[in-house]
Amino acid sequence: NAGVTQTPKFQVLKTGQSMTLQCAQDMNHEYMSWYRQDPGMGLRLIHYSVGAGITDQGEVPNGYNVSRSTTEDFPLRLLSAAPSQTSVYFCASSYDLGAGGYTFGSGTRLTVV
Amino acid sequence: AQSVAQPEDQVNVAEGNPLTVKCTYSVSGNPYLFWYVQYPNRGLQFLLKYITGDNLVKGSYGFEAEFNKSQTSFHLKKPSALVSDSALYFCAVRGPAMNTGFQKLVFGTGTRLLVSP
Repeated sequence: NAGVTQTPKFQVLKTGQSMTLQCAQDMNHEYMSWYRQDPGMGLRLIHYSVGAGITDQGEVPNGYNVSRSTTEDFPLRLLSAAPSQTSVYFCASSYDLGAGGYTFGSGTRLTVV
Repeated sequence: AQSVAQPEDQVNVAEGNPLTVKCTYSVSGNPYLFWYVQYPNRGLQFLLKYITGDNLVKGSYGFEAEFNKSQTSFHLKKPSALVSDSALYFCAVRGPAMNTGFQKLVFGTGTRLLVSP
């Protein structure tokens, strides 16, 4: 039972480059989210999805795109990387809209230079 | 707006002593509260949640949390700390419904727990 799998674990980008962070879950969860974790700020929601084909913005969506073509996959795209996007990114999935907890991936540590 | 506060950046405790990690919340309506733990270079792991019912919630790894409505608190506790409990702990509350009905988790800033041998 793999849970939520994120790749890559580490990435260094130059300013202006683009890349895609991958997230896959094998639990058949409808709800998936992307958060970023910054020191002293907890986790902040970037984008989320309530099912295949349905995505919406979270608190800090600027500079990021998402799509959800299948239940399993929820990639996060950085369009033109900026140093402010240096962070640790977590993908999470959940089975219950409100009451359930999330299952998190192990994270991607991104540095933009 | 729903929010949680973790007033301590770090908590230090000796192994074998009881530990408490504090969390207070602000919500409209009934709170759904969670605790997560993050070990170094790992994702967050679910510890426990309070939805309704008994004010003392038991979770993983011997942790428990006490819901106190009058003090709007949800402190994490363990009777006897282990060195392996050293990690970053996050309190979270279910946020309001968004356009799609999705309800995100709103996280605190985290408390680092250091358990010394």
